[in-house]
Amino acid sequence: NAGVTQTPKFQVLKTGQSMTLQCAQDMNHNSMYWYRQDPGMGLRLIYYSASEGTTDKGEVPNGYNVSRLNKREFSLRLESAAPSQTSVYFCASSGLVEQFFGPGTRLTVL
Amino acid sequence: RKEVEQDPGPFNVPEGATVAFNCTYSNSASQSFFWYRQDCRKEPKLLMSVYSSGNEDGRFTAQLNRASQYISLLIRDSKLSDSATYLCVVNMGGSYIPTFGRGTSLIVHP
Repeated sequence: NAGVTQTPKFQVLKTGQSMTLQCAQDMNHNSMYWYRQDPGMGLRLIYYSASEGTTDKGEVPNGYNVSRLNKREFSLRLESAAPSQTSVYFCASSGLVEQFFGPGTRLTVL
Repeated sequence: RKEVEQDPGPFNVPEGATVAFNCTYSNSASQSFFWYRQDCRKEPKLLMSVYSSGNEDGRFTAQLNRASQYISLLIRDSKLSDSATYLCVVNMGGSYIPTFGRGTSLIVHP
């Protein structure tokens, strides 16, 4: 039982490049989330998926897209990376209420 | 006014001290309350849920005051390993989106 896994752990991009962050959970949770965390800003919700087949915008969705591929997987795509997207990205899943987080992806955009 | 507010600290305490954090929330319809712990450069992890009757887990005690809309976390006999950021999380009933505070930093020194 791996919980929530994320790949990659680290990534450096140049401005304008694209990439997809992968997230998978093996807890049979319906809800999945993408957050970014910046110093002094706390966790900010980018997108979430309440169930397979649905996605909704969170607090800071601009510059991102998501895909809920199936119940297990929820990916986050940066189509044209910008330096302002330098951050730590966390994926999370939840069953009834409690959230479980992945280890994070540390992304730097130059 | 932010939905969930915490004193960012840092709270700097010696080993063995007792320390308490408060967290206030603005939405009186909130139904679920949690404390998460986040170590430096790691993912948040659930520390404990907060129940109306209060709950205790070893050296940690959590309390909920619905009338004043705050929750608290008390740590007794602080250990060096308690050094971390403590996140207050509030969830409205029926909502898929927990609301996170920005966290309170605790530093326990020898």
